Amino acid sequence: DIQVTQSPSSLSASVGDRVTITCRASQSISRSLNWYQQKPGKAPMLLIYAASSLQSGVPSRFSGSGSGTDFTLTISSLQPEDFATYYCQQSYSALWTFGQGTKVEIK
Amino acid sequence: EVQLVESGGGLVQPGGSLRLTCVASGFTFSDHYMDWVRQAPGKGLEWVGRIRNKAKSFTTEYAASVKGRFTISRDDSQNSLYLQMNSLKTEDTAVYYCARLTYYSQSGGFFAMDVWGQGTTVTVSS
Repeated sequence: DIQVTQSPSSLSASVGDRVTITCRASQSISRSLNWYQQKPGKAPMLLIYAASSLQSGVPSRFSGSGSGTDFTLTISSLQPEDFATYYCQQSYSALWTFGQGTKVEIK
Repeated sequence: EVQLVESGGGLVQPGGSLRLTCVASGFTFSDHYMDWVRQAPGKGLEWVGRIRNKAKSFTTEYAASVKGRFTISRDDSQNSLYLQMNSLKTEDTAVYYCARLTYYSQSGGFFAMDVWGQGTTVTVSS
């Protein structure tokens, strides 16, 4: 199975900060990497697909980059509604896997 | 409105069985692959499995942790997705989500889970 490792597992940031979360795959996955946001008690929501494509309706402060094994999710200016847990997920193999999650907390 | 609604969760003893249902509305269910994803209490997301559409012969995939115990099926006439769970273990305790897969051809051909249900809770305990 392809493993995906996220870092950090948690971070504290202030409103307006630039936040970066990384995801590393255990083998090359081209651009087959998606990012999801999950708030407590809610279902996940798709933010970014194909490593860098913004899902319809998602604010432009969210962006994704990378290919091969190393990927990044960036929030350019953190807003109060962005405090949540973020997951990367590889869609390269038939069996999909998620990263462990990154919890973004208020500083 | 595009919507997925899960049901069928509950309390079951170890070794028991349970069948989850996910009903879709607001889109052409039969066109899409469908996934199940679970989340144990306080833990991250775990992909459970997939069923493809008729064009791909309704083929299925399963995570190693559930293969041989769980079965995914669908009834396109009822816009419904199912997860049959047998030989349940305490570690299967989780919120179970169904999710729609969409194929993004304009980006070079990639899949992602773009619509999710609200989840249904399964508790395996004696």
